Amino acid sequence: DSGVTQTPKHLITATGQRVTLRCSPRSGDLSVYWYQQSLDQGLQFLIHYYNGEERAKGNILERFSAQQFPDLHSELNLSSLELGDSALYFCASSVFETRTANEQFFGPGTRLTVL
Amino acid sequence: AQSVAQPEDQVNVAEGNPLTVKCTYSVSGNPYLFWYVQYPNRGLQFLLKYITGDNLVKGSYGFEAEFNKSQTSFHLKKPSALVSDSALYFCAVRDIIRAAGNKLTFGGGTRVLVKP
Repeated sequence: DSGVTQTPKHLITATGQRVTLRCSPRSGDLSVYWYQQSLDQGLQFLIHYYNGEERAKGNILERFSAQQFPDLHSELNLSSLELGDSALYFCASSVFETRTANEQFFGPGTRLTVL
Repeated sequence: AQSVAQPEDQVNVAEGNPLTVKCTYSVSGNPYLFWYVQYPNRGLQFLLKYITGDNLVKGSYGFEAEFNKSQTSFHLKKPSALVSDSALYFCAVRDIIRAAGNKLTFGGGTRVLVKP
């Protein structure tokens, strides 16, 4: 158990809908990262937050957004869902921000299925 | 831009034999390198990392990895594989240049199958 929690574990929804994925980082970790894992794209970095502020964006679609709250939990919002958004979404956390080699600890993931 | 290549989609090895999972990387500066393992229906678990110093890095569950700067490689090794090592292995790189941010770039993954 990494100490990172994600809810829900599974999510089934229809095209055009909007969903929210939730992540609680390990106690004391200020950085939260979101990744998408799909069969065709592999593991892709989406976005990084540090202590409530966005720090870096990766291959995140405009239909997707995220935020990190004062209690450090994070939410990833996916809207206007398409079939191709079906994937496993991971949250990871680490202690610091940059210029360190802190490993990231991953949650169990949320499996999103868009029908 | 940073990138990682894992040239083998799958590696098959007999239990008790040495296991090697290959990884090569590309970064503009110096790299931080990581290995993660993913078991079915689970998140990624951290195995080991290379920051600087000794080229041979020891990690969890008897795994080690060798950093080779001239070959830009970071191969994962285990002297004697166990059936329980069967899983999906990911190599990841982070450029230490600040502008690159803190994101990890992952390879495509290598499935390891250890047969009894």
